[in-house]
Parts: sequence; C-alpha cells; structure tokens
Amino acid sequence: NAGVMQNPRHLVRRRGQEARLRCSPVKGHSHVYWYRQLPEEGLKFMVYLQKENIIDESGMPKERFSAEFPKEGPSILRIQQVVRGDSAAYFCASSLNLRGFASSSTDTQYFGPGTRLTVL
Amino acid sequence: QQQVKQSPQSLIVQKGGISIINCAYENTAFDYFPWYQQFPGKGPALLIAIRPDVSEKKEGRFTISFNKSAKQFSLHIMDSQPGDSATYFCAASITIQGAQKLVFGQGTRLTINP
Repeated sequence: NAGVMQNPRHLVRRRGQEARLRCSPVKGHSHVYWYRQLPEEGLKFMVYLQKENIIDESGMPKERFSAEFPKEGPSILRIQQVVRGDSAAYFCASSLNLRGFASSSTDTQYFGPGTRLTVL
Repeated sequence: QQQVKQSPQSLIVQKGGISIINCAYENTAFDYFPWYQQFPGKGPALLIAIRPDVSEKKEGRFTISFNKSAKQFSLHIMDSQPGDSATYFCAASITIQGAQKLVFGQGTRLTINP
C-alpha cells in the first residue's frame, strides 16, 4: 500500500536551469495538490489538479511555474529558469475526494516526502 | 483573511507534561481544521482533525479544542513523550470548486525533554 511518492528527493540546479518535480499519488487517488515550504515556514498552497485538468492554480507564480497531471503517469511540477528564491521543499499531496466535501475522511490529503530543491 | 496564525513558534516541554499549541483564523468560511505532524526530512502527516460543529475531539493523547465564536483552536498533547518532538502545523481548509485548499499556520517546533 504505497503512499504518495515524490522524486527526486533532492534536486540541485544552477540559476537559469529547469527543475522537474514528480509526484505519484496514492493508488486510486485522482486529486493532487502541490505545496511549497520555505525554511522555517508553513506550507503554501500552489496548485490543485485532477486528471488532465488544472482546477485551481491561484497559489502558483504566474511565470516560470507550470503543473500537469496527465491521464497516465505522475503529476509534474515544472519550474523554468530557476532562481535562488525557488529554493524550497516542494510537497505533493493526494486525496480520494469522492464527493468533494472538505470534512469527509475521503478528502484527507496525504503528503509525500517532498523534493528539496536547491538553486545555486 | 486567508491566514492562520499559530503560536508559539517553539515549545519545550518536559516528558509527561502537556503540550499546548494555539491557532487563530479569520475566515469563517473555513470548514475543516486538521493538525499535521512533521519530522525533519519528512512530509507532513495528518494527526487529528475537527469540523466547526464540534467543540472538542480526542484521539489517544491528542485533543483538539475548538472555539468557533473566538475563531480559535488548539492542540493538546497529554503525557508528552520524546517521540512527540516534531514540528506541528495547524491548518484550515475551504472547499472551492471541489478543491480542499489547506491554509497552514507557521508551525511550532516542539521539543520534549526526557
């Protein structure tokens, strides 16, 4: 019963390079969330996706950041032309969300171990 | 209005003592209040959660107290153990377009001294 998997766990990029972060949700979960955690801070919502659809990307920077959750394969968070300020831990969470009611146990978000991005 | 304020930033408690972490929110549309526990290098793990129609929820040594009128909620850890040493995040969520958007507090680093 595998949980949320993220890879790579650690990623080092130089300024201007691209970073690709992958997230495989819990088997059977079709809802994926991405969060960013800066050092000594709480997690900040970035984007919410369902299979092949971006539902809410209100927390994602307008430029350089994109996310997808294809019909097959993991969800991808892509950061183009990285800058030092992108250094953070990026967490993916998935939920079952059968009915879309926030208080249902099926809407519990299960988090992956995170990808720690360091931009040199 | 979307913020969740958490205090204290750090907390040291003796083994066997009670750890108390507090959170406050502004948005009355929040409808779900989970607490997450995070160990270094790991992702957050759901600890316990409450809905606003309940004033208290207890699971083992962990209790959430919820004060809807004051827009505050707190986590109590009874008989705190060294293994409870971790960072704790409160959160609040609102369902928009089917998305449960979690708004996290800033976190409390809890240390339990043996």
